[in-house]
Amino acid sequence: DADVTQTPRNRITKTGKRIMLECSQTKGHDRMYWYRQDPGLGLRLIYYSFDVKDINKGEISDGYSVSRQAQAKFSLSLESAIPNQTALYFCATSDPASGRRNTGELFFGEGSRLTVL
Amino acid sequence: GENVEQHPSTLSVQEGDNSIINCAYSNSASDYFIWYKQESGKGPQFIIDIRSNVGEKKDQRIAVTLNKTAKHFSLHITETQPEDSAVYFCAASRYNQGGKLIFGQGTELSVKP
Repeated sequence: DADVTQTPRNRITKTGKRIMLECSQTKGHDRMYWYRQDPGLGLRLIYYSFDVKDINKGEISDGYSVSRQAQAKFSLSLESAIPNQTALYFCATSDPASGRRNTGELFFGEGSRLTVL
Repeated sequence: GENVEQHPSTLSVQEGDNSIINCAYSNSASDYFIWYKQESGKGPQFIIDIRSNVGEKKDQRIAVTLNKTAKHFSLHITETQPEDSAVYFCAASRYNQGGKLIFGQGTELSVKP
């Protein structure tokens, strides 16, 4: 089983609809992230959370919101989806507090492909 | 704002050749540089990192080099194999900011047998 699980893996929706992408992890990591991947643009940070009570905006947070329901769960919402939010969305975790040497090591889920028509 | 420029966008090599992917970063405060590999249908996977107090780091066939003066870092793959075919992303950060990474645009590496 995957350590970082994203649902749904694929979703097609219409402009104006509310969409929630969910992420759960079994790695026991405190830090969780939502990134968006677009062809030719790489990955861009939407929101991140360093613990359950901590939520921070990333580079491109406009049009998105998040909820950290528990250490293991971090959801991304699009309140009113628009076509330019069509992208591949990744949830990731990290745990530098464990003393890991690689503090930039993110553990990614397999992605949620969202298409907004 | 901060950005990382990655080149080339596509790279095609013969099996056994060496591969080099380059990244230039804009933020002088960046002190931590990372490379990820993304296989088709999967999330990116960490492959190697380097801190700004080091000029080169190697891990088997993979190496990363850093030129702080030029604000440039590179991924080197020696004796490239078909299983190295993937999209590679570079990223820059500040070491104490953990997973808040600025990614490059990606390089699609194809290895011909």
